[in-house]
Amino acid sequence: KAGVTQTPRYLIKTRGQQVTLSCSPISGHRSVSWYQQTPGQGLQFLFEYFSETQRNKGNFPGRFSGRQFSNSRSEMNVSTLELGDSALYLCASSLVTSGAPGGNEQFFGPGTRLTVL
Amino acid sequence: SQQGEEDPQALSIQEGENATMNCSYKTSINNLQWYRQNSGRGLVHLILIRSNEREKHSGRLRVTLDTSKKSSSLLITASRAADTASYFCATSGNQFYFGTGTSLTVIP
Repeated sequence: KAGVTQTPRYLIKTRGQQVTLSCSPISGHRSVSWYQQTPGQGLQFLFEYFSETQRNKGNFPGRFSGRQFSNSRSEMNVSTLELGDSALYLCASSLVTSGAPGGNEQFFGPGTRLTVL
Repeated sequence: SQQGEEDPQALSIQEGENATMNCSYKTSINNLQWYRQNSGRGLVHLILIRSNEREKHSGRLRVTLDTSKKSSSLLITASRAADTASYFCATSGNQFYFGTGTSLTVIP
């Protein structure tokens, strides 16, 4: 089976712009979660989607949003980019959701490295 | 603030030695997981231990969980150069938190 894929792999934006990142989960996986990784804050949970519904949410401002399509592919959007949004954004999929965030084994994609200038 | 703190932050050992990493957390959890990350790439899931389990093994990995002390440890036995990576614990409860990570270097 193909692993989790994320596009694009690298992205450069300027402050104030918005960005959309895409994630295709492993075939058959219905849960998709998003994470932000920065040197200062480490790995932080953004949100989880299951069956096109947001099931869990981390502590991020409303500028960070996401959605999931009927084929389980997910997109994450960040509006009004700030310098501090520069990070590696990781997507992970799992077969099902346990209801609790991160409740099951997750398979991670390679990430999208976003640089905000 | 982050839920998990890992100790040590960095560890350097010779190939063949054992490596032990510790993770402490703050609130009640459903399970605790360990992940490995190579050079800023995606994470690889290593092992999941539920809150009612005390010890779990997977190949050269041994994980313990002490919920009374809110701590876990990951032991990698007979380390190899390919084990060089950052290791993160992650706790699942009302939220999902990753620890700060331990950078392991295995010297051939």
